[in-house]
Amino acid sequence: QSALTQPASVSGSPGQSITISCTGTSSDVGGYNYVSWYQQHPGKAPKLMIYDVSKRPSGVSNRFSGSKSGNTASLTISGLQAEDEADYYCCSYAGSSTYVFGTGTKVTVL
Amino acid sequence: QVQLQESGPGLVKPSQTLSLTCTVSGGSISSGSYYWSWIRQPAGKGLEWIGRIYTSGSTNYNPSLKSRVTISVDTSKNQFSLKLSSVTAADTAVYYCARSRRPGGYYFDYWGQGTLVTVSS
Repeated sequence: QSALTQPASVSGSPGQSITISCTGTSSDVGGYNYVSWYQQHPGKAPKLMIYDVSKRPSGVSNRFSGSKSGNTASLTISGLQAEDEADYYCCSYAGSSTYVFGTGTKVTVL
Repeated sequence: QVQLQESGPGLVKPSQTLSLTCTVSGGSISSGSYYWSWIRQPAGKGLEWIGRIYTSGSTNYNPSLKSRVTISVDTSKNQFSLKLSSVTAADTAVYYCARSRRPGGYYFDYWGQGTLVTVSS
């Protein structure tokens, strides 16, 4: 079980859209529609933003959306806002009742 | 609103056993509708799923940690616990407890605030 690969950092200006990729294998991301995304502000616990690839929990802004193609999942943040500046982690079910997280992406709002 | 709270020693000596407890409030741990997980994060690094337990006591562990991890549940106290044996400095991290729905909840919807455990002599 290796960590899913995410870009170390992504940046954008307020109002822009950014996309964070999350690349795994056919044993995790590609094998199941069970990718979730978490937002983590410094010193805080992660917060669920997307589950089952593209579903949003109640209370999460519709500026956040998720998708998947093959072994790569993506999180898109549209209308970027200062409050979106945080670390983002993907997570995938990896079979046999186990989970694997991504390496994490730092989002900077310029 | 369910809340999770981690507790335990903040400092553990190398080769000893790390022990943490997660107390669940605002809901019963034995409702049967959830899995209860431990996840950790070394400083400045990513998240790592450690393992989970169901009310029945059934467990699943990260293969890379399986030989050293034990997760247990105490329904009478609405708590579940983590034991990690033979710790080294590499086990220094913030440890989180988290909840996932059952069945079909392949995500973590509620998290504790996390507790820092440092492994040092």
